[in-house]
Amino acid sequence: DIVMTQSPDSLAVSLGERATINCKSSQSVLYSSNNKNYLAWYQQKPGQPPKLLIYWASTRESGVPDRFSGSGSGTDFTLTISSLQAEDVAVYYCQQYYRTPPHTFGQGTKLEIK
Amino acid sequence: EVQLVESGGGLVQPGGSLRLSCAASGFTFRNYWMYWVRQVPGKGLVWVSRINSDESSTDYADSVKGRFTISRDNAKNTVYLQMNSLRAEDTAVYYCVRGAGGRWPFDYWGQGTLVTVSS
Repeated sequence: DIVMTQSPDSLAVSLGERATINCKSSQSVLYSSNNKNYLAWYQQKPGQPPKLLIYWASTRESGVPDRFSGSGSGTDFTLTISSLQAEDVAVYYCQQYYRTPPHTFGQGTKLEIK
Repeated sequence: EVQLVESGGGLVQPGGSLRLSCAASGFTFRNYWMYWVRQVPGKGLVWVSRINSDESSTDYADSVKGRFTISRDNAKNTVYLQMNSLRAEDTAVYYCVRGAGGRWPFDYWGQGTLVTVSS
């Protein structure tokens, strides 16, 4: 199984500042036939289900603000929030969908306001 | 608008059974794979099971294999999770989730239903 490891486990960032969350997979999730990274990011706000933010490592889901961006390839990925807003307080999860089943998630990164 | 509405959660004794249902609307249900993902309150997300669009293929996490059964009724736009031989460690919020296929992200999630296994 592919193991997903996020860092840090928690993060406190000032409003308007940049937030960066990292995700590392134990195996590459890059499919060479289509050059796509099978990596998604989800946001889970308190008391709510997760919401898809980014897929194929860098494609924003419809309606997701452009302050959210994803980057990386192979085994190392990053979710960046360019200018943190109060409504971005949440737990963020990465997930690989390259070698399934199982569909494995990172352990989550809790993002708070400093 | 895509909607996934879970039901059937509740309190059950260890060794007991529950059947979760997820009613889907707002999309062509028969075209999508459906999943169950669970989350112990305050903890992370864990994939539980999946079923392909025509019910010809199902998969399970090792932790539930042989105890849980996923099924769907494309005429009723509903996916089910039959949970038998429940254990305390199955206590979690269970989310019904949609995916375009077996190697696609999870694009819509239900609100979840809480299953508590306790005597």
